[in-house]
Amino acid sequence: AQKVTQAQTEISVVEKEDVTLDCVYETRDTTYYLFWYKQPPSGELVFLIRRNSFDEQNEISGRYSWNFQKSTSSFNFTITASQVVDSAVYFCALYMNRDDKIIFGKGTRLHILP
Amino acid sequence: EAGVVQSPRYKIIEKKQPVAFWCNPISGHNTLYWYLQNLGQGPELLIRYENEEAVDDSQLPKDRFSAERLKGVDSTLKIQPAELGDSAVYLCASSPGTGWAFFGQGTRLTVV
Repeated sequence: AQKVTQAQTEISVVEKEDVTLDCVYETRDTTYYLFWYKQPPSGELVFLIRRNSFDEQNEISGRYSWNFQKSTSSFNFTITASQVVDSAVYFCALYMNRDDKIIFGKGTRLHILP
Repeated sequence: EAGVVQSPRYKIIEKKQPVAFWCNPISGHNTLYWYLQNLGQGPELLIRYENEEAVDDSQLPKDRFSAERLKGVDSTLKIQPAELGDSAVYLCASSPGTGWAFFGQGTRLTVV
């Protein structure tokens, strides 16, 4: 089965705290891509990162970092020193080469409190 | 470079009425997707186009939904007749190749 699980439905943290959003995926494919998207209240899906299944290097982009662990089928996202503007729904997604489509988790709603 | 453009942003219609959504993908992107996002859920694929061909429409409810992508550029998604349960956000995405998807702002449909 192909599946993306975001176990955290909603998280609230105080501004400047670090926060990690969890993502666990299932796929039979050996070649796939993983994504994180941000969906602010305006509704659009903003692309954050794409990682292919052969690249397990962690990545850092400013306050954002991603930890990809194939052994546990996880692709977690950490925001360091969170800001109010980070408040949004965050989706983890899996692209399967065989089907040429992206499947999404149910999202984690993140509230950054001032 | 312009992103994926969708219109309208919001639409309110009465049940049993028809409705259409329009999507203009990023220039040069051959793949186009329509996704449905229900409240509190992640987006789910409705249909995928490669140029003007619908290569995956297995999740499209064909009794009331239809889509077209004439000339392999813009696309239109239509619902006729709309039902209360169709209230959702309809997202269009385009891709330049394997494993990419860039999304538009979506159309929020409310059926009353």
